[in-house]
Formats: sequence, structure tokens, C-alpha cells
Amino acid sequence: AQSVAQPEDQVNVAEGNPLTVKCTYSVSGNPYLFWYVQYPNRGLQFLLKYITGDNLVKGSYGFEAEFNKSQTSFHLKKPSALVSDSALYFCAVSSGGGADGLTFGKGTHLIIQP
Amino acid sequence: EAGVAQSPRYKIIEKRQSVAFWCNPISGHATLYWYQQILGQGPKLLIQFQNNGVVDDSQLPKDRFSAERLKGVDSTLKIQPAKLEDSAVYLCASSFPGQGLIEYFGPGTRLTVT
Repeated sequence: AQSVAQPEDQVNVAEGNPLTVKCTYSVSGNPYLFWYVQYPNRGLQFLLKYITGDNLVKGSYGFEAEFNKSQTSFHLKKPSALVSDSALYFCAVSSGGGADGLTFGKGTHLIIQP
Repeated sequence: EAGVAQSPRYKIIEKRQSVAFWCNPISGHATLYWYQQILGQGPKLLIQFQNNGVVDDSQLPKDRFSAERLKGVDSTLKIQPAKLEDSAVYLCASSFPGQGLIEYFGPGTRLTVT
């Protein structure tokens, strides 16, 4: 069975500082890894994904994530946080060649303080 | 391009009543997913359709939940009878193979069972 762990319920960062939201995963075979963001009263929005290739992937709104196979991690990062980045962030994994539905972590609240 | 549509957006019912949710995916998306998101948790996959066939319903409580996608386009998820623990947001998502396994989510239906 596949699983995702997001160890932090909440991450607080000052505006302009770099941010990291942590994610580790467990899956049989090659992982397909995703980050989604959820704003209040809105659906989940895709941010970025890793399927193969470069370990550092870039996504929407200046976010990036680094795939680390040995640590089974896929941490989300941004060099300079904006107040508008405040939201709920979900890490997700799929296996089976990516044809399976997603298994999500429990989410991390990111709060950017002005 | 229109997004994934869901209705209703909110529903309040009493336990033991029945309820149905509707989803219309993005045009041309062959794969459709239903997820259940309980407050404070990540979304959990309930069922995955490929066109009008079920790919995975291993986490669907089949004694009370049912879903169909008769013409391979829109889909209905039904709960009968509802329990208090079914209170959650029900998310519909769709994907297209040529778009790198990205799932596009609708706004969700918030169900409250009293």
C-alpha cells in the first residue's frame, strides 16, 4: 500500500523568507509525486509533479520541489514567500504507472506573515 | 476551457436519509475520480472510472455508497443511507492521459449529516 506523510500541520514563514513544506512517501515501484494547493472554499489546484527526469521540478507561482529517492522525500520549496501563498498544501503519490488515483497526505497549513 | 462542475455545493441531510452528488468532468477527460475529504484530512479516493468502466473502487463502502458513469461523461455518487461519519467534502476530479496524469478538481460538495 502507498502512503504519504506530511509531518507538519502548520508552517509559519515571514514574507520574503524561503519556505519548505515537507513530504515523505512510501510506494512500490516508481513514484509519481504531486503537490496540490487548496484555498478556502475552492477546489484543489495542481502545483507541480515529478514523474521522471531532473530531481528538481518547477511549478506554478514560483514553487519548486526536490525529489530525493534515497530519503523518499519530495519537499516543496519557494525562495521568497508571499502573503498570498498562505493556503493548505497537499502532497500526493500515485503508483501503477501513474494510472491509479492519488493517495494524499493530511495537508500542511502554510501561513505567511507580513 | 470549462473546469470540473459539481452540484450541489452544499447539502444538509439527516442520518439514514439518501443523497446524490453530480459531477461533469472537463470535456474529453476519460478518467473520472470521486474523493472524500473529511475535515482535517487529505482527500481519500473512493472510486475511479475510465470512460464508463470502474478501474478502482476498493475504498468505496459498497454497502451504502454507489457511483455510476453510464455514458462515460458525467457521474453520480449516491449515499444511502447516510451516517454521521459521512459528513465530508466530496470532490470530483478528471484527467486526460495526454496531460501528464494531472488531475483537475471540482469545487466539491460539502455534506453535513445531522
